[in-house]
Amino acid sequence: DIVMTQSPDSLAVSLGERATINCKSSQSVLHSSNSKNYLGWYRQKPGQPPKLLIYWASTRESGVPDRFSGSGSGTDFTLTISSLQAEDVAVYYCQQYYTVPYTFGQGTKLQIK
Amino acid sequence: EVQLVESGGDLVQPGGSLRLSCSASGFSFSSNWMHWVRQVPGKGLVWVSRINSDGSGTTYADSVKGRFTISRDNAKNTLYLQMNSLRVEDTAVYYCASEYWGGPASPFNVWGQGTMVTVSS
Repeated sequence: DIVMTQSPDSLAVSLGERATINCKSSQSVLHSSNSKNYLGWYRQKPGQPPKLLIYWASTRESGVPDRFSGSGSGTDFTLTISSLQAEDVAVYYCQQYYTVPYTFGQGTKLQIK
Repeated sequence: EVQLVESGGDLVQPGGSLRLSCSASGFSFSSNWMHWVRQVPGKGLVWVSRINSDGSGTTYADSVKGRFTISRDNAKNTLYLQMNSLRVEDTAVYYCASEYWGGPASPFNVWGQGTMVTVSS
């Protein structure tokens, strides 16, 4: 199985400041046939299901604010929130969908400082 | 409106059985690969099982293999998870989720609200 490891486990950022979450996979999720990274980012607010934010490592889902961006390739990925808003308080997960089991990172809890 | 609605969660004793259902609406259910994902309250997301669009192919996490069975009825737009020989460690919120662009190898763009399964004596 591909192991996904996020860092940090928790993060406190001031409103309007940048938040950065990292995700590392135990093997590459870059598919050679199409040069796509099979990596997604989700946000989960308390009492709600996860919501897809980013797919193919850097493509923003429709309706997701442009303060959210994803980067990285191969085994190392980053989710950046450029200017933290109060509604961004949540737990964020990365997921590889390169091969089953489609494993998730352990989650990063983002709070306001 | 695109929607997934789970049902069937309950309190069950160890060794017991339960069947979860996930009703889909607002999208072409029969074209999409579907998944079950579970989450112990306060903990992370764990993938459980996958089924292809016509129901002919299934995959399971090692932790549930031989005990859980995923199935679907495309005529009823419904996904199922039959859970047998339940263990205390199966206690979790169970989500159904749909793959983007039908699948396979796509992220999950639609999620249900989840149904709680509690295994306890």
